[in-house]
Amino acid sequence: QVQLQESGPGLVRPSETLSLTCTVSGGSIANDYWSWIRQPPGKGLEWIGYVYHSGTTGYNPSLASRVTISVDMSKNQFSLKLSSVTAADTAVYYCARRVVVVTRDYFDYWGQGTLVTVSS
Amino acid sequence: DIQMTQSQSSLSASLGDRVTITCRASQTISTYLNWYQHKPEKAPRLLIYSASTLQSGVPSRFSGSGSGTDFTLTISSLQPEDFATYYCQQSYIIPLTFGGGTKVEIK
Repeated sequence: QVQLQESGPGLVRPSETLSLTCTVSGGSIANDYWSWIRQPPGKGLEWIGYVYHSGTTGYNPSLASRVTISVDMSKNQFSLKLSSVTAADTAVYYCARRVVVVTRDYFDYWGQGTLVTVSS
Repeated sequence: DIQMTQSQSSLSASLGDRVTITCRASQTISTYLNWYQHKPEKAPRLLIYSASTLQSGVPSRFSGSGSGTDFTLTISSLQPEDFATYYCQQSYIIPLTFGGGTKVEIK
């Protein structure tokens, strides 16, 4: 059973960089796509981007200028960096595994989520 | 971006009811549509992928249908553990986008 666990600071100052790590257990980070998704308080889910085990990335254009997602195969982890944060970036951040096989494309395993608050 | 619209932000139902949740895409997405169940403080759970395929381990009272722009998630007989928020998500094109969610509440 694949499990994902987010970790990182719960409080980030405005204009600074939000940094989160997702640790994958019960399976290898190789051969799959790994995504970050967030949910601001009282709002719906927003896809942030993905990284493939090779390091290939894809980002939501609405965030692309501020986002970097990377993978560390040796630690079975992938990470999110979001720069120049504002209060609008306050959200629960989830990491998830994205399965992409022919006509199938979905998120099958998710972390529990971690709340990140942007405030001075 | 493809906009996903769940017209019901919430609905009230009783145990044993048949519940239907709808989702509409702003352009055709074939059957690249997934459904998730989300409970507070928990990880979202994949229920249905490719519009109608039941994810392994998900009870058979859940079913999905539709193609193109209109999709439906049906719970045939609502159980206590089904009270949650349900999201649709399109995987036809980047950026991947979600519907706003439908919260199923106890009547």
